Amino acid sequence: DGGITQSPKYLFRKEGQNVTLSCEQNLNHDAMYWYRQDPGQGLRLIYYSQIVNDFQKGDIAEGYSVSREKKESFPLTVTSAQKNPTAFYLCASSQALDQPQHFGDGTRLSIL
Amino acid sequence: GEDVEQSLFLSVREGDSSVINCTYTDSSSTYLYWYKQEPGAGLQLLTYIFSNMDMKQDQRLTVLLNKKDKHLSLRIADTQTGDSAIYFCAESIRTAGNKLTFGGGTRVLVKP
Repeated sequence: DGGITQSPKYLFRKEGQNVTLSCEQNLNHDAMYWYRQDPGQGLRLIYYSQIVNDFQKGDIAEGYSVSREKKESFPLTVTSAQKNPTAFYLCASSQALDQPQHFGDGTRLSIL
Repeated sequence: GEDVEQSLFLSVREGDSSVINCTYTDSSSTYLYWYKQEPGAGLQLLTYIFSNMDMKQDQRLTVLLNKKDKHLSLRIADTQTGDSAIYFCAESIRTAGNKLTFGGGTRVLVKP
């Protein structure tokens, strides 16, 4: 079955700690995205990648970092510089930037 | 500018039609999307419409686009309890690298 897998489903972070959220897709999509969703709000774009070894900042990139070493993988690191990391994080992919985006099931990050 | 707005809440009786409305401001949008989000889950792509179309029908779903008023609607015929969810509209803006801008979501509650 083709799809987007995010792990873990729940993640807890201690103060001052970096954590990495995993996103893997087997849809052979070139473009991948990370969004943040806060309660009762829509999605805001953190980073996106059009192709392997390339990525661009979205609207709220501060305190986050990404890498795109493989086509199928786009991990997101929430660094200690992100002062309000508690949110629901969603990964998406699409065949190209102008094609419909398909989403994973999300990772809920909380602060201990 | 980029701004997508939706009403917060819609209550509908099972078997009735639901109409979810969305307004957007950017005239250079290419595609407009409707996504469904169930509790604790990611976003499911329901349907989308190209900006030069007026209407698209897909089984129980009908999308209407009024470009002059920048108004998008999603009609769900014969609404079922399984349709209870949050519905997001989003626009893809050509001049912004086809980035998706999301509305804040409309929570639909279907009563038996």
